[in-house]
Amino acid sequence: EAGVTQSPTHLIKTRGQQATLRCSPISGHTSVYWYQQALGLGLQFLLWYDEGEERNRGNFPPRFSGRQFPNYSSELNVNALELEDSALYLCASSFGWSGELFFGEGSRLTVL
Amino acid sequence: AQTVTQSQPEMSVQEAETVTLSCTYDTSESDYYLFWYKQPPSRQMILVIRQEAYKQQNATENRFSVNFQKAAKSFSLKISDSQLGDAAMYFCACQETSGSRLTFGEGTQLTVNP
Repeated sequence: EAGVTQSPTHLIKTRGQQATLRCSPISGHTSVYWYQQALGLGLQFLLWYDEGEERNRGNFPPRFSGRQFPNYSSELNVNALELEDSALYLCASSFGWSGELFFGEGSRLTVL
Repeated sequence: AQTVTQSQPEMSVQEAETVTLSCTYDTSESDYYLFWYKQPPSRQMILVIRQEAYKQQNATENRFSVNFQKAAKSFSLKISDSQLGDAAMYFCACQETSGSRLTFGEGTQLTVNP
């Protein structure tokens, strides 16, 4: 069974541009979580989607947004990129609200 | 809001020895889960062990066990018979059942010396 898959693996953008990251959860999982892991920092919670709805949001500006599609896959959009947005973005999925989180390998975003 | 603190940025252990990683947390809820995740250089986070707060018995998974002290809000991970493949960043995490989001500590980089 396929795990959580994320694309692209690496993405290079310049300041002011927009980035779109994608995540496909494990089959049957309805919840998708996004985390930012900046260099030297822990994982910071970004967004949680369940059944197509945004359920919770971390302390990030509105230029970080996303959505969850009917097939439970998800997109994370980052607008007006800033240098400090450079980080590993991890997606995780779970079955229901209190299930174990399964993580993807992440998308490395570099902002120049 | 829940917080998770790992006070050891780096730890090292000799192969076959035992090491304990520390974690403290704070939550206002009575029902929550605690986790240890491992992140090797491949970047993928892997669940090591999970503890339900309502269970008094410490969780154990093969060479990995926890010391869960609910009153002290402490959740340490003990790795016995350390192996080279255990080398990774280890993250402690807390999940409140009401909000589902997982809050992570800063991580502990574990080095295993041959």
